Formats: sequence, C-alpha cells, structure tokens
Amino acid sequence: EAGVTQFPSHSVIEKGQTVTLRCDPISGHDNLYWYRRVMGKEIKFLLHFVKESKQDESGMPNNRFLAERTGGTYSTLKVQPAELEDSGVYFCASSPGGGQGIYGYTFGSGTRLTVV
Amino acid sequence: AQSVTQLGSHVSVSEGALVLLRCNYSSSVPPYLFWYVQYPNQGLQLLLKYTSAATLVKGINGFEAEFKKSETSFHLTKPSAHMSDAAEYFCAVNTNAGKSTFGDGTTLTVKP
Repeated sequence: EAGVTQFPSHSVIEKGQTVTLRCDPISGHDNLYWYRRVMGKEIKFLLHFVKESKQDESGMPNNRFLAERTGGTYSTLKVQPAELEDSGVYFCASSPGGGQGIYGYTFGSGTRLTVV
Repeated sequence: AQSVTQLGSHVSVSEGALVLLRCNYSSSVPPYLFWYVQYPNQGLQLLLKYTSAATLVKGINGFEAEFKKSETSFHLTKPSAHMSDAAEYFCAVNTNAGKSTFGDGTTLTVKP
C-alpha cells in the first residue's frame, strides 16, 4: 500500500508570499492530521480532519493558515502571507477511522518550509 | 491536558550496549502511548504503542517499552544497540480523538 505522500519536500519562499503544501493520506484513512516542527523543537499539532470535516483546528497558529481536505481525500495547507516564524517542517499523518486514539499514525516525509 | 517529557535530548551509546530512552507522561485519562523513530530526511515511523493491553510492549527492530502507571513512565529499551539505530526518537501520548502530544525528541548516537 502506498504511504502518506507530501509535496513539495522543500520550499523556500520570501516573506509575504503564499505557499501551499499538499498531503495525500493512505487511501481509506478517514483521519488526517497536520503537525509542525519549528527549529528542532517539539512537534506541535495543527489540525485534524475526519474525512472532509475539520474535527479540531485548535493548533492553527492564526488566520494566515488555511487547511482544506477536498472530498475527504488529499489535503492542502496554505500559508498566506508567509512570515519568518512559519519556517519549519510540516508533517502530515493519517490513521484509520474509528477509535482514533489507539492507532498510531503513518507519517509523510514532511515539507521543509523556509521563509526568507 | 496531556504532556510528555523526554529526559535527555541526546543519548550516546556504544554499539552492542543497552539503549534506554526515557519518557514520562501526564494524562488525565488512561493514556495511549507511542514511540516513533525518525531517520534523517524521512518521516516519523511508528516503533510501538501501548493501548491498555500488556504493559510490556514489543515493537519493531528489537525495541520494547514498559508502561508503568505508578511512575507515569513509558521508557524505550533495546538490549543491544546497532549502528542503524542512530536516529531521533519521539514519545507521544494520544487523546481518545487521536490527537497526539509529542515529546521534544531524543537523538540517539551509536558509537562503533
């Protein structure tokens, strides 16, 4: 089975520009999560989709971040406009539906975003 | 609220020596606990998980972890380190909804 795919793997943009990150979860996984790791610090939760619905977006830093999950399949995370502090590695993860807490995640390789 | 503390951001062992990576958690409900490993330029990979069954959990690559409720710990061990074990390791605790709280990570170095 194909894993979780993220692209681009790297993105370097200037402050004020827009960047869109994409995540393709494992087919059939209802749960999709976005996490971010900034400057080697802890991995922090951004948001959680169940199918196409946002279950929890309590970790989204501010309204410059917009996440969507089209038809419950792939997801995009847009940062507009990007700021320097948005630099970091953005991870996507997916897990099967039902009893989410007991499942571990399958992670993508991450997108390393650098804002200059 | 849940939290995870990994003691020691860097651990160095000799090849063949015991690996011990420490994790303590805080959770208001019975926890689901996980260890992940991240190799360079890769995503995190699930090593093992505790979901209220056996307290000693075996994972991939010879790793295991023991859930100790009285100590609120979930330390990761491996009897004999291999060079290929060099990576960053993360402990995590899940809510029932599947949201994970991660520790800061521990980088394991294995010396020849």
